[in-house]
Amino acid sequence: GESVGLHLPTLSVQEGDNSIINCAYSNSASDYFIWYKQESGKGPQFIIDIRSNMDKRQGQRVTVLLNKTVKHLSLQIAATQPGDSAVYFCAENMNNQFYFGTGTSLTVIP
Amino acid sequence: DVKVTQSSRYLVKRTGEKVFLECVQDMDHENMFWYRQDPGLGLRLIYFSYDVKMKEKGDIPEGYSVSREKKERFSLILESASTNQTSMYLCASSFWTGSGNEQFFGPGTRLTVL
Repeated sequence: GESVGLHLPTLSVQEGDNSIINCAYSNSASDYFIWYKQESGKGPQFIIDIRSNMDKRQGQRVTVLLNKTVKHLSLQIAATQPGDSAVYFCAENMNNQFYFGTGTSLTVIP
Repeated sequence: DVKVTQSSRYLVKRTGEKVFLECVQDMDHENMFWYRQDPGLGLRLIYFSYDVKMKEKGDIPEGYSVSREKKERFSLILESASTNQTSMYLCASSFWTGSGNEQFFGPGTRLTVL
């Protein structure tokens, strides 16, 4: 099966700082990627997506960067807030199936 | 807003019991999925369905079956629950937007098999 992994399992940032969460994917044929946020006891929530024909996409306080050369995806959160504390994981889509990373736990320090 | 609901948030069953996990979505999505989520393993696909009465095995279908009699409902069945099926179960639905295939998740069912 596919392998999608995250470089760091945990990340702690000061409130107001920017956060960067990384993800490596293994299949160059994957054509669509999503970042999810999962708070404790809840299902994953969509944050932002990007197609393989793009290298950057911005949302509200979030930016996703895609580097197809090294098969790397990152999520940048600007001005991190306590409500951003959660597990974040990426997903790659290939042939209409999703493959998920294990997640990075982000803790925001007030 | 898209809503995916799951019948139970927490469930405790005994080994050998038959377990039904229900999932309902209200956005007329064709695609529905069942995953289990375990620490350190991420989400793993059990079964998925692209249409009514249609089902496809995912990566870990052993010990599970599914039913999709209506478009909005996708049921996961554990024929004879075992302790290694203790997990968080997540249902999702999706549609193809032309630019992506966003999945919407339910809140999850935490199943404990004793």
